[in-house]
Amino acid sequence: AQTVTQSQPEMSVQEAETVTLSCTYDTSESDYYLFWYKQPPSRQMILVIRQEAYKQQNATENRFSVNFQKAAKSFSLKISDSQLGDAAMYFCAYRSEFGNEKLTFGTGTRLTIIP
Amino acid sequence: DARVTQTPRHKVTEMGQEVTMRCQPILGHNTVFWYRQTMMQGLELLAYFRNRAPLDDSGMPKDRFSAEMPDATLATLKIQPSEPRDSAVYFCASGLAGIGIEYGYTFGSGTRLTVV
Repeated sequence: AQTVTQSQPEMSVQEAETVTLSCTYDTSESDYYLFWYKQPPSRQMILVIRQEAYKQQNATENRFSVNFQKAAKSFSLKISDSQLGDAAMYFCAYRSEFGNEKLTFGTGTRLTIIP
Repeated sequence: DARVTQTPRHKVTEMGQEVTMRCQPILGHNTVFWYRQTMMQGLELLAYFRNRAPLDDSGMPKDRFSAEMPDATLATLKIQPSEPRDSAVYFCASGLAGIGIEYGYTFGSGTRLTVV
């Protein structure tokens, strides 16, 4: 079974600065997808960014980018130019490319933005 | 933007009562998931459906929980009888298998259930 670990329960960053959230996972599969979801106080789960395991290039979405290290099974999220609206819980998630399509989530990192 | 609609948003009920949560997936999506979020267990899959057929319900307590898709526009999750340990936020998510599902799923806003 796959597991996802987020070792930072809480992080804080000054507004406009850069912060990196860590995620590691364990799997014996070679084909899979990785995701970062954001959950603000409104409770809505919002997809931030995704990465296909077969792609070497790191995914980028505006101020959000990932550092995907397949051999190390690491998938960190970098948020540049942090904004107050980035304050939320961030969840890392894993999904197999074949077979069961469920998302396996980490325990989350609560990000606080300091004005 | 297309969205997944969940009702009710909040539900408080007494132990032993039946609870029904509803989900309207995005039109055209053929895969629907039910997740439960608690402080202790985090986000865990309860069940998921493809074209209205259950593919995995191994995460669901079978004695009290049931999940169905009466039609393509409605998914339901029932708890009977409810217990205080069922208190959690229940999320529905939908996606389109085969095309685009690798883009991640769209989640609803969740139903916060409190059983007293």
